[in-house]
Amino acid sequence: NAGVMQNPRHLVRRRGQEARLRCSPMKGHSHVYWYRQLPEEGLKFMVYLQKENIIDESGMPKERFSAEFPKEGPSILRIQQVVRGDSAAYFCASSPGQGATGNTIYFGEGSWLTVV
Amino acid sequence: ILNVEQSPQSLHVQEGDSTNFTCSFPSSNFYALHWYRWETAKSPEALFVMTLNGDEKKKGQISATLNTKEGYSYLYIKGSQPEDSATYLCAFPSGNTGKLIFGQGTTLQVKP
Repeated sequence: NAGVMQNPRHLVRRRGQEARLRCSPMKGHSHVYWYRQLPEEGLKFMVYLQKENIIDESGMPKERFSAEFPKEGPSILRIQQVVRGDSAAYFCASSPGQGATGNTIYFGEGSWLTVV
Repeated sequence: ILNVEQSPQSLHVQEGDSTNFTCSFPSSNFYALHWYRWETAKSPEALFVMTLNGDEKKKGQISATLNTKEGYSYLYIKGSQPEDSATYLCAFPSGNTGKLIFGQGTTLQVKP
């Protein structure tokens, strides 16, 4: 059973471009989470999705950031018009059920975004 | 605002030493407590998910205990090895979804 797969692992974008980060959850997992690690900071929650639904986006910046988890295909975290402050490691995680009820949440290896 | 605190921030021990660190979390509205082991440039590795007061879980030389009434969990490593060097994170679900609030972690360095 492959783990949570993220791509690209490293992405360089110029200011103003768009960044798309993809995440394929573990097989059988319908719950996907995105976390961000800014330089010198810990992991911060961004968004929680189930298939075709955003459940909790309380950690998403109000503008330029969006996430989806379509019926078919990977979850996508999209950052429009990137700025230098978006440079960070973005981690995707998945679980078979809600993490609050004792399900293990498994993390991918992260996508490192650098904005130049 | 939920706060998850871990101590110490970093720890340096010799190979063979046993060590432990603490995770403090809000004791009200408890759902679960997650422990992760995170090596640089790798994915955080799930160690334990603890749900019951008094829970004690073990994985190899690593074990964890949980006290939900007073809001803390201990992680123990018996006979540390250099390969145990990593950052150990605990995380607490905020609300009844899977939104995890992470502590800042305890970075363990085991010297051969």
